[in-house]
Amino acid sequence: AQRVTQPEKLLSVFKGAPVELKCNYSYSGSPELFWYVQYSRQRLQLLLRHISRESIKGFTADLNKGETSFHLKKPFAQEEDSAMYYCAPNRDDKIIFGKGTRLHILP
Amino acid sequence: EAGVVQSPRYKIIEKKQPVAFWCNPISGHNTLYWYLQNLGQGPELLIRYENEEAVDDSQLPKDRFSAERLKGVDSTLKIQPAELGDSAVYLCASSPGGGGRRYEQFFGPGTRLTVL
Repeated sequence: AQRVTQPEKLLSVFKGAPVELKCNYSYSGSPELFWYVQYSRQRLQLLLRHISRESIKGFTADLNKGETSFHLKKPFAQEEDSAMYYCAPNRDDKIIFGKGTRLHILP
Repeated sequence: EAGVVQSPRYKIIEKKQPVAFWCNPISGHNTLYWYLQNLGQGPELLIRYENEEAVDDSQLPKDRFSAERLKGVDSTLKIQPAELGDSAVYLCASSPGGGGRRYEQFFGPGTRLTVL
């Protein structure tokens, strides 16, 4: 069965410290992988997708096919990074969202 | 650009009553999605449309939920009758078809349903 796991419900990180939000997936074939973010009182929006290999707001995500992971990373956390983050593999137009990790940046 | 529009933003009803949610996708987006989001969970797909056609409704509880997308633009999701467990946020999203941006979804603000 297709499954995506975000093991941390809440992650608290001090401002300026590195951030890593974990995501593991269980999919047959090669899904396309996304991270979506929801800031307080805003709608869910795309943060980045692995196929474009871009860095958005300082975040990057590396696809590790051997470990079937797609962890989201940022070297130096900023207060405005506080939000809910969802890992979302997509295969054949079927996207499954993880349960999300709430990132809380401490001052 | 206004983005995906949903109404109402909030709805409170008593159980066994009917309720309907409306979604207007971004202009030109052929693909439309309805999601259910329970508290503390990620969005779960209910139904996906390509133009007027429902191409994936496998997760839609068809005994009480129905959806339509007449003319391939706006969409309505209905619950009749509502149950206590239907309390959740209902999200609509749309996506452009074709090309490298095909799978990026643009979400509406959601409708928060409370069933008493």
